[in-house]
Amino acid sequence: DQQVKQNSPSLSVQEGRISILNCDYTNSMFDYFLWYKKYPAEGPTFLISISSIKDKNEDGRFTVFLNKSAKHLSLHIVPSQPGDSAVYFCAASAVDSNYQLIWGAGTKLIIKP
Amino acid sequence: DSGVTQTPKHLITATGQRVTLRCSPRSGDLSVYWYQQSLDQGLQFLIQYYNGEERAKGNILERFSAQQFPDLHSELNLSSLELGDSALYFCASSVGRLNSPLHFGNGTRLTVT
Repeated sequence: DQQVKQNSPSLSVQEGRISILNCDYTNSMFDYFLWYKKYPAEGPTFLISISSIKDKNEDGRFTVFLNKSAKHLSLHIVPSQPGDSAVYFCAASAVDSNYQLIWGAGTKLIIKP
Repeated sequence: DSGVTQTPKHLITATGQRVTLRCSPRSGDLSVYWYQQSLDQGLQFLIQYYNGEERAKGNILERFSAQQFPDLHSELNLSSLELGDSALYFCASSVGRLNSPLHFGNGTRLTVT
């Protein structure tokens, strides 16, 4: 039972354009969401988070949007840069999972020059 | 550099054997987490320790065990290894506060032949 789903295994975007990575979840008790970025041969790195009391959080080129009614969140990267090529994981936590993170399978983002 | 150190980086062993994976958390972090990532899958939470005590357990097999020592480093022991145990094993650490970001090591790649 996948509670957090990233339905696109990969995404290719032109450098300078907007990258939009999507994540859907099924557990309505999730109240905190995070995005992590992972380069090959390295561990995931925390990127940005959002609490369920907000619908948007911004940090530089990265913005996360949360649509609770649709159980959907997205990560926008503007403008996309070559160094953004990586695998992006979304993760969620809730009190009924003891606040342990439940992870999506990841989306591989490729930024084309 | 996340400050989390995992050793060894690679491990190749045979079915039925036992291995120990080691993790040193980031300085100041009290909480250590172990995750398993199989091919093209998301991260599966195994177990969490906080200041030497087990805090939460995920999908950890009975053949696997872990502990956190007084100096806060942690070890994950995998025994009676099976082919399906081949995966990337990540350790992460955090200060231990609710929803504090996890800082990951670069993982140990285990191959069981």
